[in-house]
Amino acid sequence: EPEVTQTPSHQVTQMGQEVILRCVPISNHLYFYWYRQILGQKVEFLVSFYNNEISEKSEIFDDQFSVERPDGSNFTLKIRSTKLEDSAMYFCASSPDAAGTAYEQYFGPGTRLTVT
Amino acid sequence: RKEVEQDPGPFNVPEGATVAFNCTYSNSASQSFFWYRQDCRKEPKLLMSVYSSGNEDGRFTAQLNRASQYISLLIRDSKLSDSATYLCVVTSGYSSASKIIFGSGTRLSIRP
Repeated sequence: EPEVTQTPSHQVTQMGQEVILRCVPISNHLYFYWYRQILGQKVEFLVSFYNNEISEKSEIFDDQFSVERPDGSNFTLKIRSTKLEDSAMYFCASSPDAAGTAYEQYFGPGTRLTVT
Repeated sequence: RKEVEQDPGPFNVPEGATVAFNCTYSNSASQSFFWYRQDCRKEPKLLMSVYSSGNEDGRFTAQLNRASQYISLLIRDSKLSDSATYLCVVTSGYSSASKIIFGSGTRLSIRP
C-alpha cells in the first residue's frame, strides 16, 4: 500500500538554526499539506500546496516558513530561524484531490522537531 | 467560541458498549466534515467522511446537523482496538484553498 514518508523521524536543532523537513508524498497525489502538533495539543494546519504553489496558509505559516517541491517526488518545509516554540511534531499529508472533497488525506508518520 | 469544539473526554467504556461523540463548529459556511482517529504519538488516519445524509461504515455511524452546526460519531460494539483519540475535522470549502481545522480530539479508552 502506498504511503507518505517523512525524514528525519526526529530532528534536534539549536534555536536560530535553519531546518528542512522532508516528505515524499504518494506518487500520484496532487495536493500536499503540512501540519504541526505541539505535544498535548491539537493538530494545526500550516499550508496546502498544489500545482507548485501555495493554495492556502494559516496564521502560523509566517515568513519564517517556506515550502518547496524541488523535484517530482519531494515536498519540503523549511524553517529559517527556529524558535523554542517551533518544537512540535510536523506531519506531511497528501491527497489525490483537495481536502475539501471526500478524498482522503494520507498522513506521514511525522518528524519530531526539538529546538533547544 | 472555538472554530471546532470537542469534548476532550476521556470516555472510559467497557468493551461492547456503544459510545457517541459530538463536535460543534462555528463557521456556518463550512463545507466538508471528517472524523479521524489518532493513536498516541502517531499520525491521524481518516476514519470516515461525514455526508449530509449521514453515513455508516460497519460499526461506525456519522451524522451531520447543519442547522445546529454539529457532527456526531457513533461507535457500536466497541473493541479494545477502538481506544484512540477521535479528531473532528472541518474544512471551509471544496477546493485546495480551503481552511482545514482540526478539533482538539476526544479520548476514548475501552476497558476489557
